[in-house]
Amino acid sequence: EAQVTQNPRYLITVTGKKLTVTCSQNMNHEYMSWYRQDPGLGLRQIYYSMNVEVTDKGDVPEGYKVSRKEKRNFPLILESPSPNQTSLYFCASSKADYSYEQYFGPGTRLTVT
Amino acid sequence: KQEVTQIPAALSVPEGENLVLNCSFTDSAIYNLQWFRQDPGKGLTSLLLIQSSQREQTSGRLNASLDKSSGRSTLYIAASQPGDSATYLCAVHSSGGYQKVTFGIGTKLQVIP
Repeated sequence: EAQVTQNPRYLITVTGKKLTVTCSQNMNHEYMSWYRQDPGLGLRQIYYSMNVEVTDKGDVPEGYKVSRKEKRNFPLILESPSPNQTSLYFCASSKADYSYEQYFGPGTRLTVT
Repeated sequence: KQEVTQIPAALSVPEGENLVLNCSFTDSAIYNLQWFRQDPGKGLTSLLLIQSSQREQTSGRLNASLDKSSGRSTLYIAASQPGDSATYLCAVHSSGGYQKVTFGIGTKLQVIP
């Protein structure tokens, strides 16, 4: 089954404790991205990647890191999480053709205390 | 910078009514515009994708149109049902110097039985 998976689905952590949210897709998609969703602000793109070893900032990259060492994986790293990073996070992928149709993961709800 | 606006922010209609949701964007250099629905606390379900060269797409009771030159898209829902109650989001994938995806904040739809 074609899908985008994220782990963990739920995470509660403390300020400053490094964490990684994994994202994996099995559709051989070139384009992958991370979003956060907050009430009243909608979904905002954090980082995106056009292909292996090619990443770029979205609209809200501060406090996040990403890497794209393999085509299928695009982990999101919070080196020193803060309470303002409490949010619902989504990973998505799409094929870099003329359509760029996005496929979304189920989401990760992160709480930083 | 691409900006996406959705009007109205909320809509309440009686069951059976036809309705139109609006999405506007500021930069016409796009690959596509994609409509999603999101139920409370859930992930995103893709409804329709319109490529930049297309004018409209249809799926069942849904019809989406795109006027790239004026920066507008509409999602038409025919014969609305209580199960259509959700938040509807539009997303634009830019094709200019940057490859970002920008979401509108959404239209929250309630269909009253």
